Formats: sequence, structure tokens, C-alpha cells
Amino acid sequence: NAGVTQTPKFQVLKTGQSMTLQCAQDMNHNSMYWYRQDPGMGLRLIYYSASEGTTDKGEVPNGYNVSRLNKREFSLRLESAAPSQTSVYFCASPDRTNTGELFFGEGSRLTVL
Amino acid sequence: QKEVEQNSGPLSVPEGAIASLNCTYSDRGSQSFFWYRQYSGKSPELIMSIYSNGDKEDGRFTAQLNKASQYVSLLIRDSQPSDSATYLCAVNDYNNNDMRFGAGTRLTVKP
Repeated sequence: NAGVTQTPKFQVLKTGQSMTLQCAQDMNHNSMYWYRQDPGMGLRLIYYSASEGTTDKGEVPNGYNVSRLNKREFSLRLESAAPSQTSVYFCASPDRTNTGELFFGEGSRLTVL
Repeated sequence: QKEVEQNSGPLSVPEGAIASLNCTYSDRGSQSFFWYRQYSGKSPELIMSIYSNGDKEDGRFTAQLNKASQYVSLLIRDSQPSDSATYLCAVNDYNNNDMRFGAGTRLTVKP
């Protein structure tokens, strides 16, 4: 049971390049989230998906797009990367039937030059 | 704007002491409260959850919630060097799918 798996773990991009972060969960959860974490600012919600086929903006959605491909997979796309998007990105999925606990992926460290 | 505030620290305590971590939140509609521990370079992991006013104990950890004061705290008794990490307070308004995190408090336990 892997929980939440995200790829890649590390990525370096040049300004203007695009890339997609992939996330998959095997816990049969309905909801999935994408956060970014910057020093001194905690985790900030980028987008979330409450169920398959739905997505909604979080606190900091500008510059990102998401796709909820199926119940397992939720991807985050940067269409034209900017240095301000240098961050650590976490995919997470909440256990709403029990504690509400968020299960996190291992994180993806993105650097935009 | 829903805010979750924590002292950023660093908080330093000697081994065996009690570490006290505090968190305040602005949204009175918040229903669920969590403490996550995050080691450097790792993802957050849940250590405590609390949903009603009062204290909740789990081993060396005690979470305290006061909804009237919009305040939640975490006490770590008999602190160990392995407790050295950043502790994130998280607050959830379940209906809005909105889990908000504080910036985290960095704790160092000195042997």
C-alpha cells in the first residue's frame, strides 16, 4: 500500500518551460489536493478536487492548471514556469470517512531558473 | 481571509522538558484541528487530531482546544532529540474542503 505517490521528486526548469507533476493515491479517497510549501509560509492550497471530475481553486491557483484524470490521479501543470513557482509541491488526500487526516506524498522540489 | 497563526520559533528546549506549541485561527466555523510533524526534507505526518474543546492525550503528546478563544496547542512531555522538527498546525472547515496550515514552529530538543 503506497498511499500517495507523486513524481518527479526533483525538477529544474527554465523560465517559460512547462511541466506536469503527477500524483496518484491508492486509498480510494474521493478528494485530492495540491499544496506548495515555501520557507516561512507553511503549506498553501493551490487546487483541490472533491471528487472525480471536479476541481476547484484554492488559495494560490494563478499560474497552475489541474486535471483529475480519474479517482486515483490528480495532476498539476505549470504552463509557463516562473521563478516565483520555485517551491516544494505536495499532493495530499484526506481520509474523510475517519479522522480527516491528510495523507501526503513525498513532495516534488521544483526550481525555476 | 482565513488565517492560522503560529510562532515560527525556533523553540529550543532541553531533553526531558515540556515543549509547548501554540496556534490561533481566525475562522470560527472551523471544526477539525490537527498537528503535523515535519522533519527537514520530508512530508508532514499527522501526530494529533482534536475536534472538541478540552484536552486529548496520546502518549507524550497532549493537544488542547479552546474554540471560544480560537486557540489550539500541543504539549510534548519528556521531549527527546528525535522530536526536533517543524510542527504544523492545521485547521479544517470540513464543508469547504479547506484545510489551512500555519507557517509552522521549528522545535529543537537539545541533549
